[in-house]
Amino acid sequence: QKEVEQNSGPLSVPEGAIASLNCTYSDRGSQSFFWYRQYSGKSPELIMFIYSNGDKEDGRFTAQLNKASQYVSLLIRDSQPSDSATYLCAVNTGRRALTFGSGTRLQVQP
Amino acid sequence: NAGVTQTPKFQVLKTGQSMTLQCAQDMNHNSMYWYRQDPGMGLRLIYYSASEGTTDKGEVPNGYNVSRLNKREFSLRLESAAPSQTSVYFCASKLPRSEQYFGPGTRLTVT
Repeated sequence: QKEVEQNSGPLSVPEGAIASLNCTYSDRGSQSFFWYRQYSGKSPELIMFIYSNGDKEDGRFTAQLNKASQYVSLLIRDSQPSDSATYLCAVNTGRRALTFGSGTRLQVQP
Repeated sequence: NAGVTQTPKFQVLKTGQSMTLQCAQDMNHNSMYWYRQDPGMGLRLIYYSASEGTTDKGEVPNGYNVSRLNKREFSLRLESAAPSQTSVYFCASKLPRSEQYFGPGTRLTVT
């Protein structure tokens, strides 16, 4: 079992819809959780982080964490074609480096 | 404030050649990392350095060496390049309990 799992996609949503991206992790000791966005040919950039159970909102983005279920998600409201990218889930397990999932490719159709 | 910088941006090597990828950060971060990214494989950690003078192996260290030259710079060396090392290489740095910041990447092709 991979330490951080994501559906590779592509996840296709129409413009204006809510995109829901999911991530599960195996290490119950994981402490913090990050969502990165990566455009094709570019480096990953941080869009959200969450440490506590529940929801955290930042503009059109909401991160949701459920430690009991070992599940973290990212919701993107009012999806725009510019949101089309690969979204990487990353987990801090207490080791020195973040552990990354392989990413979900999101396509927002105009 | 340039963040994390990497050189070169692109490189083509023949099998058996050697090269060093350079990385520098100006954010005063203690920890620095080298990842490779292959299609469908996500980011895989090659080596990391928790502080100046220390380095540790990550998930895929074979065929690579690293040097933490000082707090700012962390280099990755391929002594004898192989086609399996064709990849995109990212350097990153971070503060404790914080997010990682990535450089722009080096696209390496080994023929």
